[in-house]
Amino acid sequence: GAVVSQHPSWVICKSGTSVKIECRSLDFQATTMFWYRQFPKQSLMLMATSNEGSKATYEQGVEKDKFLINHASLTLSTLTVTSAHPEDSSFYICSARVFQETQYFGPGTRLLVL
Amino acid sequence: AQSVAQPEDQVNVAEGNPLTVKCTYSVSGNPYLFWYVQYPNRGLQFLLKYITGDNLVKGSYGFEAEFNKSQTSFHLKKPSALVSDSALYFCAVRIYGNKLVFGAGTILRVKS
Repeated sequence: GAVVSQHPSWVICKSGTSVKIECRSLDFQATTMFWYRQFPKQSLMLMATSNEGSKATYEQGVEKDKFLINHASLTLSTLTVTSAHPEDSSFYICSARVFQETQYFGPGTRLLVL
Repeated sequence: AQSVAQPEDQVNVAEGNPLTVKCTYSVSGNPYLFWYVQYPNRGLQFLLKYITGDNLVKGSYGFEAEFNKSQTSFHLKKPSALVSDSALYFCAVRIYGNKLVFGAGTILRVKS
């Protein structure tokens, strides 16, 4: 139980295009999902908290117009990187809160912007 | 500020030997502490957590962690390391809004 999937696992895109990443809870309903960004050999940085049916809450310094988050259902949250640039290249990981304390993480999506 | 520290960038241990990955925390109130493991190009896998109760917490894959309030530590341990345990380990603490703050991570290398 408590499986979280992400799609795609890898994406390469041209600079200026938009990329959508999906995060799904496969065997449970998640009222809250989180989006993280991880740079090579670094820890995870929380980008935003995604609540089903409401607007996402972004961490300080994260551009909400750049990183659009939608949590349309209890099993799906999406992150869209708009007008991607090479500096947006990173490893993006989502998580879903199952019980009040524990977050379960997806396998991550590696984005490369050329 | 609420935070966790992992003082070691890397821990090396021989297969079969016990391992310890250190974590200290700084939080206000009662801490909710977690350990996660990350394999290359993968997401994080939940190992164990401390919420309340026994100071020794047992988790997945034979790992355990000891909560020490006086030393504000939550070290991850395993009695006998396996080569397959080699990975990146993160300690985390829950803060407001159910958010997690992660330590910098510790690379564990187990050599045969």
